[in-house]
Amino acid sequence: DTGVSQDPRHKITKRGQNVTFRCDPISEHNRLYWYRQTLGQGPEFLTYFQNEAQLEKSRLLSDRFSAERPKGSFSTLEIQRTEQGDSAMYLCASSFDGNTIYFGEGSWLTVV
Amino acid sequence: AQKVTQAQTEISVVEKEDVTLDCVYETRDTTYYLFWYKQPPSGELVFLIRRNSFDEQNEISGRYSWNFQKSTSSFNFTITASQVVDSAVYFCALSVDPNRDDKIIFGKGTRLHILP
Repeated sequence: DTGVSQDPRHKITKRGQNVTFRCDPISEHNRLYWYRQTLGQGPEFLTYFQNEAQLEKSRLLSDRFSAERPKGSFSTLEIQRTEQGDSAMYLCASSFDGNTIYFGEGSWLTVV
Repeated sequence: AQKVTQAQTEISVVEKEDVTLDCVYETRDTTYYLFWYKQPPSGELVFLIRRNSFDEQNEISGRYSWNFQKSTSSFNFTITASQVVDSAVYFCALSVDPNRDDKIIFGKGTRLHILP
């Protein structure tokens, strides 16, 4: 499978716990994006990387959120001290130089 | 600021009927890109089309067709002879120059039900 892959696909966590999601982009893609989608809404931009550099962060990305792409390949999105409002699907996507953006299947987070 | 409006929240049609999903966008940029994505129940966003602002030609791909009209800022999507497998949420989206502002702005989506 050469598409964008995300892990885990589903995560249930207790409020206050930390969670981490991983994204493996399409291999030749230099840009990697994180989006968040809540029920009944379209995806909302969180942040994106060009290679290992994080170039833009949305105001949606509070201090409890951190994303990294240390070697310009895979990326992690960590949420610290989760809150119920963090429950959503976290989508990763990749592209080559901002051309067509391909999305993964998403990681569903439920905070109880 | 950019904005995408999909006025149809939910549509139901009987299989084999044609259906058009509406999309209206707002941007002050002269260079921009329009997209349609399909999201089946599995959750993955499936890329359908990317169209740049300088190409107003309509496009057809099998049963899918897209009508881009800059005069009305619309980028509508038509499925001809719909099938049950077309049931999904469809998102229209907009981005500007990827070297200046590389994020996609999505509409809220239209949930399409194809009834057998």
